[in-house]
Amino acid sequence: GQQLNQSPQSMFIQEGEDVSMNCTSSSIFNTWLWYKQDPGEGPVLLIALYKAGELTSNGRLTAQFGITRKDSFLNISASIPSDVGIYFCAGRGTGGFKTIFGAGTRLFVKA
Amino acid sequence: NAGVTQTPKFQVLKTGQSMTLQCAQDMNHNSMYWYRQDPGMGLRLIYYSASEGTTDKGEVPNGYNVSRLNKREFSLRLESAAPSQTSVYFCASSEGSQTEAFFGQGTRLTVV
Repeated sequence: GQQLNQSPQSMFIQEGEDVSMNCTSSSIFNTWLWYKQDPGEGPVLLIALYKAGELTSNGRLTAQFGITRKDSFLNISASIPSDVGIYFCAGRGTGGFKTIFGAGTRLFVKA
Repeated sequence: NAGVTQTPKFQVLKTGQSMTLQCAQDMNHNSMYWYRQDPGMGLRLIYYSASEGTTDKGEVPNGYNVSRLNKREFSLRLESAAPSQTSVYFCASSEGSQTEAFFGQGTRLTVV
């Protein structure tokens, strides 16, 4: 089946540093999504991307939909302690309902 | 506005027992989903309901059944629980196939 490769698996950074994580797929997607999950909670959508090449920001977060439609990245600028959590990428094809999730990037921020 | 509500939050079952996980949404969404999350893996789709009255298999449907009781409620049933079904289960809902999904807080299930 379809799979997403998300990297890195985990990151340990200092408060104030910038962060970059990415996802690649062997399949083409029509939509790329980035979610954040806090401990004991469900994932919450951060950014949705709908067009190849699209670059979208949400506060300190910026995500891009790769030109090949097989990859996406998420950047977090000037990290703060509340950025701690697991970040998931997800891809959606033409079928729509079957969204594929990456394994997640676990972010740790040291104050 | 509660969003997506799941019950129970925690459950321990013995192998072979059955149980139903409940999910309700108050956003008048058409579509609902059940995912499982295992350590080191992303969320995997078990079943989904595109609209009231329809259900379809996802990536990992074996060992589960679902019921879309009405537009608000979508339940997941384990008929004979197995240790491999130990996981965190998330329910989600969305307006349709191309719109944002909102997740519940999850049910942590342990099968011993």
